[in-house]
Amino acid sequence: KNEVEQSPQNLTAQEGEFITINCSYSVGISALHWLQQHPGGGIVSLFMLSSGKKKHGRLIATINIQEKHSSLHITASHPRDSAVYICAVTAGAGSYQLTFGKGTKLSVIP
Amino acid sequence: EAQVTQNPRYLITVTGKKLTVTCSQNMNHEYMSWYRQDPGLGLRQIYYSMNVEVTDKGDVPEGYKVSRKEKRNFPLILESPSPNQTSLYFCASSFLLSAEAFFGQGTRLTVV
Repeated sequence: KNEVEQSPQNLTAQEGEFITINCSYSVGISALHWLQQHPGGGIVSLFMLSSGKKKHGRLIATINIQEKHSSLHITASHPRDSAVYICAVTAGAGSYQLTFGKGTKLSVIP
Repeated sequence: EAQVTQNPRYLITVTGKKLTVTCSQNMNHEYMSWYRQDPGLGLRQIYYSMNVEVTDKGDVPEGYKVSRKEKRNFPLILESPSPNQTSLYFCASSFLLSAEAFFGQGTRLTVV
């Protein structure tokens, strides 16, 4: 079974700061997801990665398959980025299960 | 609008009273799944379905049932709810497992 570790668990940043959230997993995967959960509880998919790097607005996600590691970066952070960010992985071929990290709670202070 | 709809959003019930949480998606997705979210434990998969009439257990299936009679619907059934099933539940769908996932709004269930 894949183990997914996220760091840090909690993160407080000043508005405008560059933020990095890390995710490591123990077993080879077919895809990695970054999710955002706002205080109201709803979950939104930010990225789905199987290799390389993706960018959407101020958000950048990277993955290193050899090192079993992914990072989510937020440039020029804003208070509306305050949320819980969750990493999730799907194992290799033949697996239909999704395993989640425990999440990183981000607070961006004006 | 592409969406996953869960109902109800909030539910308080008593131990042993059967309940169903509905989940419906309008994107013709093949893969659907149910998760529960608990403080300190994060999200955990309960059941998933790869297509109509094809379902399988996730990490925490005990006390739950599912069915997939139509592609768009994937209800979660608690035959005899217990207080340890008090949790926040999410349904999700995707075209494939390794594709962008769409989540429902969540159902906050309290079993007393």
